[in-house]
Amino acid sequence: DQQVKQNSPSLSVQEGRISILNCDYTNSMFDYFLWYKKYPAEGPTFLISISSIKDKNEDGRFTVFLNKSAKHLSLHIVPSQPGDSAVYFCAVLSGNTGKLIFGQGTTLQVKP
Amino acid sequence: ETGVTQTPRHLVMGMTNKKSLKCEQHLGHNAMYWYKQSAKKPLELMFVYNFKEQTENNSVPSRFSPECPNSSHLFLHLHTLQPEDSALYLCASSQETGRQPQHFGDGTRLSIL
Repeated sequence: DQQVKQNSPSLSVQEGRISILNCDYTNSMFDYFLWYKKYPAEGPTFLISISSIKDKNEDGRFTVFLNKSAKHLSLHIVPSQPGDSAVYFCAVLSGNTGKLIFGQGTTLQVKP
Repeated sequence: ETGVTQTPRHLVMGMTNKKSLKCEQHLGHNAMYWYKQSAKKPLELMFVYNFKEQTENNSVPSRFSPECPNSSHLFLHLHTLQPEDSALYLCASSQETGRQPQHFGDGTRLSIL
């Protein structure tokens, strides 16, 4: 069973609008969450993270929201730019060994 | 040179071959990781090394053998692989294990004939 789920395989947004990517997890013990972006033929690039002691973390155009009661996190990108078109993965840290558990990814397309 | 470098970028091998994947990080990190991404599946952790010691083996078959001679280098030795082992193999590093973002290389695309 998948412990981290990104239920939307793809998302299309107009340039300048907000992109909202969603992620659900199953284990309430998870306490550190990350978002990565991946372009074709490149490795994932770290975007932003959030600890369970917070419900929001912001870095420029990127904001991650955490709803612990719903076991849900989301990544907001505003304003969206064509260069944001990529696959976005959420990940959770499991335990103390550095093990990341990834979701399946959501492909974001930002149209000019 | 900066970041995490993986070689080769592409590898085609037969099931009886022996080959190795190499990863090198220039970030001064102490932890290194191997991940596997099969088609239409999420990235899956294989191994974790922290200060050259293996701290996690995610039930990986013995035909995959990791080696970490120092904190900057990580190898994945491959032997008698199966067609289902065809995948993208990604290396990552972080300052420490725990609440640290992991930085990924661009991966090795492995095809088993």
